[in-house]
Amino acid sequence: KNQVEQSPQSLIILEGKNCTLQCNYTVSPFSNLRWYKQDTGRGPVSLTIMTFSENTKSNGRYTATLDADTKQSSLHITASQLSDSASYICVVSPFTGGGNKLTFGTGTQLKVEL
Amino acid sequence: GAVVSQHPSRVICKSGTSVKIECRSLDFQATTMFWYRQFPKQSLMLMATSNEGSKATYEQGVEKDKFLINHASLTLSTLTVTSAHPEDSSFYICSAEDGPYGYTFGSGTRLTVV
Repeated sequence: KNQVEQSPQSLIILEGKNCTLQCNYTVSPFSNLRWYKQDTGRGPVSLTIMTFSENTKSNGRYTATLDADTKQSSLHITASQLSDSASYICVVSPFTGGGNKLTFGTGTQLKVEL
Repeated sequence: GAVVSQHPSRVICKSGTSVKIECRSLDFQATTMFWYRQFPKQSLMLMATSNEGSKATYEQGVEKDKFLINHASLTLSTLTVTSAHPEDSSFYICSAEDGPYGYTFGSGTRLTVV
């Protein structure tokens, strides 16, 4: 069964600090992995998309890494801001397109405090 | 970038009535859109795949007669929750494929059935 596991489940950090979120997946075959940010009561917003051949992708203060051999990905947030408080979801697709085959992680709830 | 507009963002309805949720791709055409349901602190669950000009494909366990999906144009898909009951209260999110790897999500609709 395709699975995507994220850790930690929740995280509290101080403003300005860095943090790293983890995503382990068993989806196979594998096409691409996406990280989304979801604010409470809102839809997910794409942060990064990586195909199986990419190792890293950056979007401002967000940097995602991918190790397709170990089936692990991480999302590193630099110099956190209060507005980074949200749920971060790792989503894996086994095929190009094929949205009905997306496997969602349960997310990491990040809270950034003063 | 691609934008998916979802309306309404919040709706409260009486038990037994029907509610329609709209999902529009604003700057691109989407032959396929997806409808998800999300419970608190849980990941998105795919309900159905909406195909322009044809019948929607429902996931196992999703009542097609309760959740009516219409995808009449390349930019609009609608989800109608018929004869809504309190257990249908949830957060509904649509998404559309905007490229080979990209999925853009709507902002979600919070449905409360009283």
